[in-house]
Amino acid sequence: GQQVMQIPQYQHVQEGEDFTTYCNSSTTLSNIQWYKQRPGGHPVFLIQLVKSGEVKKQKRLTFQFGEAKKNSSLHITATQTTDVGTYFCAARPYGGSQGNLIFGKGTKLSVKP
Amino acid sequence: DTGVSQDPRHKITKRGQNVTFRCDPISEHNRLYWYRQTLGQGPEFLTYFQNEAQLEKSRLLSDRFSAERPKGSFSTLEIQRTEQGDSAMYLCASSLGEFNEQFFGPGTRLTVL
Repeated sequence: GQQVMQIPQYQHVQEGEDFTTYCNSSTTLSNIQWYKQRPGGHPVFLIQLVKSGEVKKQKRLTFQFGEAKKNSSLHITATQTTDVGTYFCAARPYGGSQGNLIFGKGTKLSVKP
Repeated sequence: DTGVSQDPRHKITKRGQNVTFRCDPISEHNRLYWYRQTLGQGPEFLTYFQNEAQLEKSRLLSDRFSAERPKGSFSTLEIQRTEQGDSAMYLCASSLGEFNEQFFGPGTRLTVL
């Protein structure tokens, strides 16, 4: 079935370093959402990208949607300990189910103070 | 708190028993989703409702699983004849409309002994 590949699976950084996670699909996507899940918590919505080549920023977080709408990335500048958690992309394939978001396996970020 | 709530938060049961979980979405949200999440994985879509209508079921949802949303408000997910492989976190989410962000509840952690 449809899959969304997310890399890396884990990322360990020193506080202040940058972090990037990538999400790739073999098929064109209608839109993509990003969620953050803190340890022991539930996924919390961060952003939705819809347009080809779209770039959105939230403070130190930059989200990009590829020109072909098959990939996306989340970049965090100057990580802080509060950024710790697992970041998931959640994709809705173009022409696919209206309800079915396909989540990647996530990138688990740990930040060493 | 007007977020998504789930009950119970934890359930331990013996193999072969039936269990039922409840989800109360954000009141004005017409869409309600059920996901299953296991350790190290992203949420896996199970089913979703628009109002009281169940519009899609994943093939992960065997005939032992049934979900209802009788009045278009709260929803229940029942698992009959539980198996050890059913052990997971069951997450409920709701949204207002098709393409909007999903708000997740805290989840019900099921352990099947």
